[in-house]
Amino acid sequence: EVQLLESGGGLVQPGGSLRLSCVVSGFTFSAYAMSWVRQAPGKGLEWVSSISVGGGTTYYADSVKGRFTISRDNSKNTLYLQMNSLRAEDTAVYYCAKTIEGGGHSWFDPWGQGTLVTVSS
Amino acid sequence: SYELTQPPSVSVSPGQTVSITCSGDKLGDKYGCWYQQKPGQSPVLVIYQHTKRPSGIPERFSGSNSGNTATLTISGTRTMDEADYYCQAWDSSTGVFGGGTKLTVL
Repeated sequence: EVQLLESGGGLVQPGGSLRLSCVVSGFTFSAYAMSWVRQAPGKGLEWVSSISVGGGTTYYADSVKGRFTISRDNSKNTLYLQMNSLRAEDTAVYYCAKTIEGGGHSWFDPWGQGTLVTVSS
Repeated sequence: SYELTQPPSVSVSPGQTVSITCSGDKLGDKYGCWYQQKPGQSPVLVIYQHTKRPSGIPERFSGSNSGNTATLTISGTRTMDEADYYCQAWDSSTGVFGGGTKLTVL
């Protein structure tokens, strides 16, 4: 059974930092790109970042570029999201998702259960 | 920046067919996909590459594409299909989601 388990969320003050982790099982982690997607309370989905299978290529939404860093440790089957200079508007549930590529495009399947990040003083 | 536009809400009676649209510039070239999200749950992929259905997704879910518009169609809608639906595509290595459509089955 494929499982993605996020952790590391919590309450942090504006300007603070947090590192999210996503431990996966049930598939060959090192063979797939991975992504983070977030959802602010009561709002829609927003893509945050993606990383290639080897970790050498990363992509970011403009809203987090320069503040967030995606990385992976294939030996630990773990995806990370380092979040710095956090703002109130970063408050959201953060999902990690297996990213499947095909025909020059990709999609997210499946998703983890999410971890809540709250940025507030 | 690239945008995908969905209607905020759609309603349907049980057993009927409903379509949810997603519009974006040259969306047909971008192989969009669709996700279903029920309250308190994580999103689930229901359609990818415009028309393909993942294993485990009921046949009543189908996708189509025409020019700048992708469409998710649910045939014989069931009350369990009540959820938020999001379209998604990629533009210049940037992921983009539509604003979501709340499907009400009543």
